[in-house]
Amino acid sequence: GQQLNQSPQSMFIQEGEDVSMNCTSSSIFNTWLWYKQDPGEGPVLLIALYKAGELTSNGRLTAQFGITRKDSFLNISASIPSDVGIYFCAGLLMEYGNKLVFGAGTILRVKS
Amino acid sequence: DAGVIQSPRHEVTEMGQEVTLRCKPISGHNSLFWYRQTMMRGLELLIYFNNNVPIDDSGMPEDRFSAKMPNASFSTLKIQPSEPRDSAVYFCASSFQDRKTQYFGPGTRLLVL
Repeated sequence: GQQLNQSPQSMFIQEGEDVSMNCTSSSIFNTWLWYKQDPGEGPVLLIALYKAGELTSNGRLTAQFGITRKDSFLNISASIPSDVGIYFCAGLLMEYGNKLVFGAGTILRVKS
Repeated sequence: DAGVIQSPRHEVTEMGQEVTLRCKPISGHNSLFWYRQTMMRGLELLIYFNNNVPIDDSGMPEDRFSAKMPNASFSTLKIQPSEPRDSAVYFCASSFQDRKTQYFGPGTRLLVL
């Protein structure tokens, strides 16, 4: 089936550092979503991207929809301890209606 | 808005028993999704509904799994009989069909002994 390659698999960074993660695929997506999951909770939507080339910010978070429609990145600036969690990218395939394909997740740990 | 509501939050049962998971989507949302999350396979879509009608159940593992959506505010996912390999976190999510962005519930953590 369709796959999203999300990297890195995990990150252990110092508080205050910037973080960057990305997702790539051989398939073309018409929507990219970024979610964060805290332990014991469901994924929470962070940013939604609907157009190729779109760059969207949400506080310290910035995400972009790749111009080729096959990739997206998420940046977190000035990380803080509460940024800890698992970050998932998810893409909607044009030919699959509302079905989301999820990346495997990036585990973020922040050292204070 | 209360968000997507799932119950129970935790379920421990013995192999062979029937398990029923419940979901109340966000009011006004007309698409509902059931996912399963495991360490090995990540987040997998099991089935989704548009306007209470099942659209794609290709992710349902086998006949032991069934899902219903009798009305716009309620859905169930049933496993009968349950097996240890069904142990996972089951999430329900909802969206406006044309908005595509899905909002997840807190999940049901299922352990089958």
